Amino acid sequence: DAKTTQPNSMESNEEEPVHLPCNHSTISGTDYIHWYRQLPSQGPEYVIHGLTSNVNNRMASLAIAEDRKSSTLILHRATLRDAAVYYCILRDSGSARQLTFGSGTQLTVLP
Amino acid sequence: GAGVSQSPSNKVTEKGKDVELRCDPISGHTALYWYRQRLGQGLEFLIYFQGNSAPDKSGLPSDRFSAERTGESVSTLTIQRTQQEDSAVYLCASNPGVGRGRNTEAFFGQGTRLTVV
Repeated sequence: DAKTTQPNSMESNEEEPVHLPCNHSTISGTDYIHWYRQLPSQGPEYVIHGLTSNVNNRMASLAIAEDRKSSTLILHRATLRDAAVYYCILRDSGSARQLTFGSGTQLTVLP
Repeated sequence: GAGVSQSPSNKVTEKGKDVELRCDPISGHTALYWYRQRLGQGLEFLIYFQGNSAPDKSGLPSDRFSAERTGESVSTLTIQRTQQEDSAVYLCASNPGVGRGRNTEAFFGQGTRLTVV
C-alpha cells in the first residue's frame, strides 16, 4: 500500500479552524484517501473520504491537491471533543484490502 | 445490532492461559478486520476476512494467534499461551466489503482490553 506521512502532533485553539495535512506522494490512481479519528479510549471512527474532488460532510472537509500527492482535513471550528488522533489512510478501490493505519496526528484542542 | 459489538470489554488473564475474544460485525458486512493497539501505540493489523475468501493472515504476530469467522457472522480471535506482551486493546471492524461500497467507511467496535498478568 502507498504510504502516508502526517505530523506527529498539532495544537489548535477552541472554535478556530484546524488544517491537518497528509502527504501521500506515491498515491496511485485507484487509491481513495480516507480519514479516521480515534478519541481517547475508543475505537477509530470514520471522518471522511475522497478520490479527486474536495468533499464536505457534517464532520469535516477534505481538500485534495490537484496532483493528489497531498490532502488536508479541515475542521471548521475545533471543539474540545475533537481532540483525538487523526489518521490519513489510502485505500485501493481495485482490491479488497485491509486498512493500514500509520501513526497519525495527535490533535490537542486548547480551551 | 446498531454497530460492531465486541466482548468481553475487559479481560484479565494469567500468563500462559488461552483467551478468546469475540466480534459481532454489523449485519450484512462481508469484510471483518482485527487490529491490536498497545498502550500509546497505533493500530497494528492482525487479520482480515472477506466473505468466503481465504483470510489475509499476514499480520498475525505468531502461531499463538488465530482467528475464525464462519460466513458473514461472528468472528473469534484466539490467543494461546498468552504472554505479557499480548496485553493490548484488540479492535474489530466491519465494512460492506468487495463490490458493495468497499470504499465506504469501516465501523469499529469499542475493543477488548486484554491484560496478561
